[in-house]
Amino acid sequence: DVKVTQSSRYLVKRTGEKVFLECVQDMDHENMFWYRQDPGLGLRLIYFSYDVKMKEKGDIPEGYSVSREKKERFSLILESASTNQTSMYLCASMSGRASYNEQFFGPGTRLTVL
Amino acid sequence: AQKITQTQPGMFVQEKEAVTLDCTYDTSDPSYGLFWYKQPSSGEMIFLIYQGSYDQQNATEGRYSLNFQKARKSANLVISASQLGDSAMYFCAMRLNRDDKIIFGKGTRLHILP
Repeated sequence: DVKVTQSSRYLVKRTGEKVFLECVQDMDHENMFWYRQDPGLGLRLIYFSYDVKMKEKGDIPEGYSVSREKKERFSLILESASTNQTSMYLCASMSGRASYNEQFFGPGTRLTVL
Repeated sequence: AQKITQTQPGMFVQEKEAVTLDCTYDTSDPSYGLFWYKQPSSGEMIFLIYQGSYDQQNATEGRYSLNFQKARKSANLVISASQLGDSAMYFCAMRLNRDDKIIFGKGTRLHILP
């Protein structure tokens, strides 16, 4: 059974803290993605990676960075967390470039920044 | 720029009735794929159905079908014989064949009433 896991389901951090969100997939997928989901705004792409050590900015990269040192792992980093980064964060992975390939999602991390 | 529009923020439907969730998209690319995902209250995103821009037939997967009207740039999801377990958030999404990114709509929250 294919699987995308995220390190935490719920996380509470303080303003100014450095936050790491980890995502691991076991499907040998080339592509991995980080989204944030907010009510009324849908899913917005923060960053994605199409290969190890490769990354591209999505629609809302400000305040975030990413790391992909191994194919199966894609980390989202909040260098200095702020209250407006309180959100649900979803990680996804996808195989190759065929248009019919769907994304597989992790269970999400609900981050609260106080 | 590419865009997905879901005009129904919320819907209430009686159990066993058919449901149509609206989705329109905007792209000038001729080659793309359209997806529908379901997100129950537990948070995980579940892939439901895919339609390619060159597919001649409307996609079907069990109780789900996609009413694809290319000229109108419309990709509505139809759920036949709705069940209580269909209560969830539903997202329409699009991916261009030349791109790795998937663009999501803002979602429709579906409530099935007993």
